[in-house]
Amino acid sequence: AQSVTQLDSHVSVSEGTPVLLRCNYSSSYSPSLFWYVQHPNKGLQLLLKYTSAATLVKGINGFEAEFKKSETSFHLTKPSAHMSDAAEYFCVVSDTGGYNKLIFGAGTRLAVHP
Amino acid sequence: SQTIHQWPATLVQPVGSPLSLECTVEGTSNPNLYWYRQAAGRGLQLLFYSVGIGQISSEVPQNLSASRPQDRQFILSSKKLLLSDSGFYLCAWSLDYQETQYFGPGTRLLVL
Repeated sequence: AQSVTQLDSHVSVSEGTPVLLRCNYSSSYSPSLFWYVQHPNKGLQLLLKYTSAATLVKGINGFEAEFKKSETSFHLTKPSAHMSDAAEYFCVVSDTGGYNKLIFGAGTRLAVHP
Repeated sequence: SQTIHQWPATLVQPVGSPLSLECTVEGTSNPNLYWYRQAAGRGLQLLFYSVGIGQISSEVPQNLSASRPQDRQFILSSKKLLLSDSGFYLCAWSLDYQETQYFGPGTRLLVL
């Protein structure tokens, strides 16, 4: 069965410093992997998606993620944090059960300090 | 372009009252539709999904039900709300041949 583990429930960085949000997945085949962002009291917005093409995926707002099969990881990074990046981030894996079902991690709350 | 709407945005209901949340999608045909619940401090839980009109699959046993009376309309209902039904309810859609889901703005439900 597929699963996803976000290793940090909270991450705090200073504005202008790098961001690293960690995600490990478990899947018996080559999955599709996603990162979504949720600002307070808002819906989820797709940041980026990996679908077995390039292992380094670039997303919106300067975020990128690298798929590492040997480490079963899909960590999200950004070189320089901005105050507007403060939000909750979800790592997501596709479910082999069909119907485009997704399995969500528990989320990582990112705080950005001036 | 496609858009997804949810209403109401916020709802406060007493325990035991009925519930109806609506989700509509514009700009696409025959989407897959999903209802999620996000409880405070927790991740997203898939409640229902639908691959066509009248076709509903339930992921977890609960006090809620879903219906899809039209191709781009998805409704979440309850006959009698429980305190534990409080949460943030998100509707999402996807194309049948793609895995990416696109989310609506959500409905905040508080049951008192």
